[in-house]
Parts: sequence; C-alpha cells; structure tokens
Amino acid sequence: EAEVAQSPRYKITEKSQAVAFWCDPISGHATLYWYRQILGQGPELLVQFQDESVVDDSQLPKDRFSAERLKGVDSTLKIQPAELGDSAMYLCASSVKWGSEQYFGPGTRLTVT
Amino acid sequence: ELKVEQNPLFLSMQEGKNYTIYCNYSTTSDRLYWYRQDPGKSLESLFVLLSNGAVKQEGRLMASLDTKARLSTLHITAAVHDLSATYFCAVDRGSTLGRLYFGRGTQLTVWP
Repeated sequence: EAEVAQSPRYKITEKSQAVAFWCDPISGHATLYWYRQILGQGPELLVQFQDESVVDDSQLPKDRFSAERLKGVDSTLKIQPAELGDSAMYLCASSVKWGSEQYFGPGTRLTVT
Repeated sequence: ELKVEQNPLFLSMQEGKNYTIYCNYSTTSDRLYWYRQDPGKSLESLFVLLSNGAVKQEGRLMASLDTKARLSTLHITAAVHDLSATYFCAVDRGSTLGRLYFGRGTQLTVWP
C-alpha cells in the first residue's frame, strides 16, 4: 500500500540552528500539505502545494520558514533559525487533487533546545 | 476563519460503556473527517462524511453528520481498551482548496 514518507522521524536541534524536513508524497498525488501539530492541539496548515506551486502559505512564518517542491514531487520544509516555540510534530500529507482525501505521513518530531 | 470545537477534550471511560464525542464547526463545510492518532504517531483516517444525514460505521465506532446544525458526532459502543487514542475531527470548507481545519482532539482512555 502506497504511503507518504517523511524523514527524519525525530530531530533535536539547538535554538538558532537550521533544520530541514523531507516529504515524499504518494505517487501521482498532485497536492501536498505541510501541517504543524503542537502538543495537545490539532494540526494546523503551514503550506499547501499544487504540483510545484504554492497555493496557500498564509499561515507560514515566512521570516524563518521556507518550503519548496521543485519538481512537483517531493518537498522540503526548512526552518532557519529554529526557535524554542517551533518544537512540534511536522506532518506531511498528500491527496490526488485539492479537496480529495488527504493521507498523512508518519511525521517528524522536532525538539528545539 | 472556520472554527472547529470538540468536546469533551478528555474522556475516561470503562470498558463496555457507550459514549459520544461532539464536533461543532462555525461555517458551512463540504466534508468532515474523523481521524485517530495514537501517542507519537501520525493520523489515521477513520471516516469521511460528505452530506447531511451521512452515517458511517466501522466496528465499535459510528460517525454522523448534521450539516444544518454544523455538528458531527462520533459514537463509541461497548468501548474496549484498544480504542484508547486521541480522536480529531477536521473540516474542509471546499473554498479553501482542501485545507483542513482541525479540532483540538478528544483524548480517550478506556480502562478495564
């Protein structure tokens, strides 16, 4: 069964360092989402791609976060510099097209010290 | 902005008992989802509800949707320990390109 892949699964970094997460969506899925889930809360969308284009980054803290999906397949989310408040689970999801069911990856648990 | 509220946030129940989790949302929606999340794990899709009056059942869980009341329920029948997890409802407003708005989750603990 096809799955969304993410790496690393866990990341510990010091404040002010740079960190990057990778996501490989299910093959053929045009839409890719990055969500952030703070402990005890529901996930919140950071950025959404349709193929290689960003269609929604309204909740992305653009002063420190960046995301790309250069060839419309896999995607990278970067944080520079990391802050203590960035400690969270970062979830990637993909769907065949926007509005269809989203499938979530295993997530990357980030701890900023 | 679309708001999604779940209650209760914490639920502790004995095996064999029944209970209902409620999910209210603030504006009209195209789709409503229920997810399960085990500690430290990702989200597992349970149900997708597409229309008013939709009801879906899987094992001991049954979900329903009332779009007029902007309310979905997740009913647990004869709970077992394996159902212990956090349950999230999420709403897709359609006009927001498929973006999901999540509730805060209901942490369910089932004890013997």
